[in-house]
Amino acid sequence: IEMTQSPSSLSASVGDSVTITCRASQSISTYLNWYQQRPGKAPKFLIYDASTLQTGVPSRFSGSGSGTDFTLTISSLQPEDFATYYCQQSYSTPPLTFGGGTKVEIK
Amino acid sequence: QGQLVESGGGVVQPGGSLRLSCVASGFTFSSYGMHWVRQAPGKGLEWVALISYDGRNKYSLDTVKGRFAISRDNSKNTLYLQMNSLGAEDTAVYYCGKDLGYCTSSSCYRDAVDIWGQGTKVTVSS
Repeated sequence: IEMTQSPSSLSASVGDSVTITCRASQSISTYLNWYQQRPGKAPKFLIYDASTLQTGVPSRFSGSGSGTDFTLTISSLQPEDFATYYCQQSYSTPPLTFGGGTKVEIK
Repeated sequence: QGQLVESGGGVVQPGGSLRLSCVASGFTFSSYGMHWVRQAPGKGLEWVALISYDGRNKYSLDTVKGRFAISRDNSKNTLYLQMNSLGAEDTAVYYCGKDLGYCTSSSCYRDAVDIWGQGTKVTVSS
């Protein structure tokens, strides 16, 4: 299953709300996970089952979608949220497949 | 919360071998599947291999089948990745990761990585 993210990058300011889209090449129900990766760091697990926040993840992060189309929304961007975000399907595995990533940059 | 610490990366010539290790702490290692995920320089994440909690089931990316072998020693809380016949395309930071492996009364959530190591860099170059 191929995962396609858009946009590949975006610029936003602190306090803005941003939405990242992830599309699967076939229906994956809600077997969709999101990760955050800050520069030079390991990825961090954010969301599973398309919309369930991992323990400790701030509530400004939210996920939605089912089937083939999913979104990750960050409301009120904070300085620590500038990072690259990856979606990953866990419907038909192995292999686990990731999207190409969306880099959120400071405007 | 759990912690994973990888080691074993380095510079190796094309055709060479390396063995990566990943030591787990802070969770019951023997209860969870474990993954290796890699990231080539400037690129995205690529899943490499998965091993079940008891080591009986192993899966790997097609492009590494026959060259890479995942294994684990539950008595040592350690995950391994034996990499042979390395090529330039294997140059990457390699992360080990714990499978989410979470079940409720109605659903199970697997094949996501909820704890990541810091990564170990593998460079294949002559």
